[in-house]
Amino acid sequence: DADVTQTPRNRITKTGKRIMLECSQTKGHDRMYWYRQDPGLGLRLIYYSFDVKDINKGEISDGYSVSRQAQAKFSLSLESAIPNQTALYFCATSQDSTDTQYFGPGTRLTVL
Amino acid sequence: RKEVEQDPGPFNVPEGATVAFNCTYSNSASQSFFWYRQDCRKEPKLLMSVYSSGNEDGRFTAQLNRASQYISLLIRDSKLSDSATYLCVVSHTGGGNKLTFGTGTQLKVEL
Repeated sequence: DADVTQTPRNRITKTGKRIMLECSQTKGHDRMYWYRQDPGLGLRLIYYSFDVKDINKGEISDGYSVSRQAQAKFSLSLESAIPNQTALYFCATSQDSTDTQYFGPGTRLTVL
Repeated sequence: RKEVEQDPGPFNVPEGATVAFNCTYSNSASQSFFWYRQDCRKEPKLLMSVYSSGNEDGRFTAQLNRASQYISLLIRDSKLSDSATYLCVVSHTGGGNKLTFGTGTQLKVEL
């Protein structure tokens, strides 16, 4: 079984809809991250969490919110989806003491 | 100027060739450096960390030049399976584990 899982893997939604992307990990890591990847722009950090009570905005948090329900779960929400949020979204985890991050398989989101 | 810059490629090389990628970073406070590999539509995976003294893992060699603020990756004896996008990644002090990713260099190894 994969250490970092994301659901759904693919999602098509309409402008204005609320959508939640979920991430779960079995690695026992405290730190979790959400990124989006767009062609030509690389991965950009949306939100990150160093533990259940610590949530921080990344470089592109506008239009997104997150919830850290437990050490193993970190959800990303789009309150009112818009077409320019169409992207590939990755969740990642890391241990406190290292910079190495482990990524989930990604969620491909299309907003029409 | 982007924090981490890479030539997007693609680099098309024959099997068995040696290929090198460079990456430059703008934040002189950067502390940790990595190369990640990303296959098409898949998640990035750590290829190797980059140390000041340079490091080698089989056919892959990574080097860091702090004075010039660049990182390199050398792949010897390229295999078809090396075809992927290689992401240069940097972490700086004060950022915890936050990483800054380059946009990647695409490598295509051909018969």
